[in-house]
Amino acid sequence: DVVVTQSPLSLPVPLGQSASISCRSSQSLVYTDGNTYLSWFQQRPGQSPRRLIYKVSNRDPGVPDRFSGSGSGTDFTLKISRVEAEDVGVYYCMQGTHWPRAFGQGTKLEIK
Amino acid sequence: EVQLVESGGGLVQPGGSLRLSCVVSGFTFSSYGMYWVRQAPGKGLECISYINSISRVINYADSVEGRFTISRDNAKNSLFLQMNSLRVEDTAVYYCARDYPRGSPDYWGQGTRVTVS
Repeated sequence: DVVVTQSPLSLPVPLGQSASISCRSSQSLVYTDGNTYLSWFQQRPGQSPRRLIYKVSNRDPGVPDRFSGSGSGTDFTLKISRVEAEDVGVYYCMQGTHWPRAFGQGTKLEIK
Repeated sequence: EVQLVESGGGLVQPGGSLRLSCVVSGFTFSSYGMYWVRQAPGKGLECISYINSISRVINYADSVEGRFTISRDNAKNSLFLQMNSLRVEDTAVYYCARDYPRGSPDYWGQGTRVTVS
């Protein structure tokens, strides 16, 4: 099975500063159709997960452009520019190329 | 507006059964694959099952294979998860989610809580 590893697991960030989360997979996430199915999710306290990014770098409607995704193959990054109070929560990456689908362990973002 | 509403959770003894339902609205259910994803208390997300739009492709995580059965009724815009031989470690909030594009759940329900004790 593909293992997805996130770092860091805890991320204290001052308001207005940038944050970066790394996601690494144990196998390439390039699918036979040429696409790379790596997504990012935000889960605020007490809420359901919300997708932010799909296929590495495509932002979902309504997601602020402060959120950006990048990477290829096995290494991916979520960057949050100008962190705001509403960004507090846990962030997960997920690979959708292989079954079983796999989420990273989650990165808890807090305001420093 | 896209909505997914889960139901059927509750308290059950080890070895017991539960059937979860997810009723959707706001999109053409029969055109999308669907997931069940669970989250144990204080833990991360685990994708436990997938079914494609016409029930031809069905996948399970090893943790539930042989005990859980996913199904759907496209005429009733409904997704189901039959859970048998429940274990304490199946305690979690269970979410249904739509798959779009491939390999990525975009819309999620509010979740239904299952407690095995």
